[in-house]
Amino acid sequence: DQQVKQNSPSLSVQEGRISILNCDYTNSMFDYFLWYKKYPAEGPTFLISISSIKDKNEDGRFTVFLNKSAKHLSLHIVPSQPGDSAVYFCAASDDTGKLIFGQGTTLQVKP
Amino acid sequence: DAMVIQNPRYQVTQFGKPVTLSCSQTLNHNVMYWYQQKSSQAPKLLFHYYDKDFNNEADTPDNFQSRRPNTSFCFLDIRSPGLGDAAMYLCATSRERHVNEKLFFGSGTQLSVL
Repeated sequence: DQQVKQNSPSLSVQEGRISILNCDYTNSMFDYFLWYKKYPAEGPTFLISISSIKDKNEDGRFTVFLNKSAKHLSLHIVPSQPGDSAVYFCAASDDTGKLIFGQGTTLQVKP
Repeated sequence: DAMVIQNPRYQVTQFGKPVTLSCSQTLNHNVMYWYQQKSSQAPKLLFHYYDKDFNNEADTPDNFQSRRPNTSFCFLDIRSPGLGDAAMYLCATSRERHVNEKLFFGSGTQLSVL
């Protein structure tokens, strides 16, 4: 029973356009949400996070939106760059600090 | 500077032959985690250590064991690997076991079982 779901396995966008990656969760006890980025042959690296008390967090080209009523979050990348091509994992944390990951979305940004 | 180091990057073992994967960290973090990731699936938490306190996930098979001899090192032992255990194994650390802690990952060990 998957508590964190990324329903789009892949996404392709043109350089300079917006990339929107989506994530849904089922457990209303999740308090903290994170996005990780993974390049081939490397481990996931932290990208951006959001607390459940907020609905938006921005860091440069990356913005995460949280809709608690819909149990949905999204990552916006504007403008997208070829170097953003990677696998993006959504993760959620409960009060124990344990991270539950989604399956990942492979983003390809075309020059 | 690598902060979470996993060795080896690739490991091939035979069906039923015990194998050990290693992880070390230079961050002096209290918590170390082992995740299993099969192709196109979510990383799945197997267990974690909070200092010397071992915490097993309920659905982690008994075939998987772990050791943490000191703060810096953590090992994943697979006693009798099956074909279904072929996966990427990711080690991660965090400073504390709090809700807003970030995890720092190693590059992973890709395990093949022949």
